[in-house]
Amino acid sequence: KNEVEQSPQNLTAQEGEFITINCSYSVGISALHWLQQHPGGGIVSLFMLSSGKKKHGRLIATINIQEKHSSLHITASHPRDSAVYICAVGSIIQGAQKLVFGQGTRLTINP
Amino acid sequence: EPEVTQTPSHQVTQMGQEVILRCVPISNHLYFYWYRQILGQKVEFLVSFYNNEISEKSEIFDDQFSVERPDGSNFTLKIRSTKLEDSAMYFCASQGDRVSEQYFGPGTRLTVT
Repeated sequence: KNEVEQSPQNLTAQEGEFITINCSYSVGISALHWLQQHPGGGIVSLFMLSSGKKKHGRLIATINIQEKHSSLHITASHPRDSAVYICAVGSIIQGAQKLVFGQGTRLTINP
Repeated sequence: EPEVTQTPSHQVTQMGQEVILRCVPISNHLYFYWYRQILGQKVEFLVSFYNNEISEKSEIFDDQFSVERPDGSNFTLKIRSTKLEDSAMYFCASQGDRVSEQYFGPGTRLTVT
């Protein structure tokens, strides 16, 4: 069983739609990360959270520690949001924060 | 804005050859990481490095792999004798302190022929 499961694996939507990507994990964590990977391959950190909710522009991330579940929401989606969104859980080992990654959700927003 | 840089962007090598992938983390960051992503697969942790030593390594990080921070700025990943299955995108990341986010470099695409 994968330690980090994301759903859906692929998501296609129309511009303006509200997007939700889900992440469930099975291990104890120090923090959960949402990352964005563009077609060129580069990875950008969107959020790091250990409780509650964070918002940055049109992106919102929530986490429920008891249920070991997190969601990433995109409001008023735009074609430039098209990318792979990756959930990763962090555990601190000897001070450093090892990340375990989900398989990613490929999001396509059509104009 | 500070960023993590990696060189080269693409490296092609023959099986059995040694390769060194280079990373320049964000200055004043303390924690350093290497990850890899085989084409079409998820990103995998290779190794973490703190205080001039390895903090943790995965089962992928066998005796063929080594890391160094030779001069206080560069952070390198060496693969001693490459195999076909080492073909992947390799990402370096750095982190300011143990509870902050990680910043990723643009990656080095390694192709072993």
